[in-house]
Amino acid sequence: SQKIEQNSEALNIQEGKTATLTCNYTNYSPAYLQWYRQDPGRGPVFLLLIRENEKEKRKERLKVTFDTTLKQSLFHITASQPADSATYLCALDMSGGSYIPTFGRGTSLIVHP
Amino acid sequence: DAGVTQSPTHLIKTRGQQVTLRCSPKSGHDTVSWYQQALGQGPQFIFQYYEEEERQRGNFPDRFSGHQFPNYSSELNVNALLLGDSALYLCASSLSAGLNTEAFFGQGTRLTVV
Repeated sequence: SQKIEQNSEALNIQEGKTATLTCNYTNYSPAYLQWYRQDPGRGPVFLLLIRENEKEKRKERLKVTFDTTLKQSLFHITASQPADSATYLCALDMSGGSYIPTFGRGTSLIVHP
Repeated sequence: DAGVTQSPTHLIKTRGQQVTLRCSPKSGHDTVSWYQQALGQGPQFIFQYYEEEERQRGNFPDRFSGHQFPNYSSELNVNALLLGDSALYLCASSLSAGLNTEAFFGQGTRLTVV
């Protein structure tokens, strides 16, 4: 079956360091992958989209890579700040091009001052 | 621009009852999707509405139904509520379908079934 895997354990890092979050998927070849941020009790907020023919995408302190051979995306936040603390969700189109994102369970990031 | 607005923000219902949740999409958006998010899990797709019709549906029973109005706002109805329906219900709006479609989420409705 199709699966999206994100580390369920929280990632704890010190302020100023680079946070790296991982999203792995199986048994599918999505046309795109998205990353969202979610704060407690709030809806997800879109951060970045990367297409299958793109290797890397950057936006300010954020960088996303997409390796379709490894079936993996890495999400990096450089110079992390306590305000970056949140849950980060990856989402893939796993419905045959209908553009309905399927979400992973998310990874909690905690940035310590 | 008010973004995506959902009402109510919180709701407590009794098992067996029916509930209606409402969503107003971001200005200019014509597509509304509904998600259920249980605690500690990612959002699970329920269905998507476009041009007042259900275009896609996830793996949810018929107790979950919806509607989209001519002004693109939408309702999610859940009948015969079960304890397991307790979750955060999220509405997301977007502009039609497309590879670069970015979904904008509302703040969600927290439903508790007792």
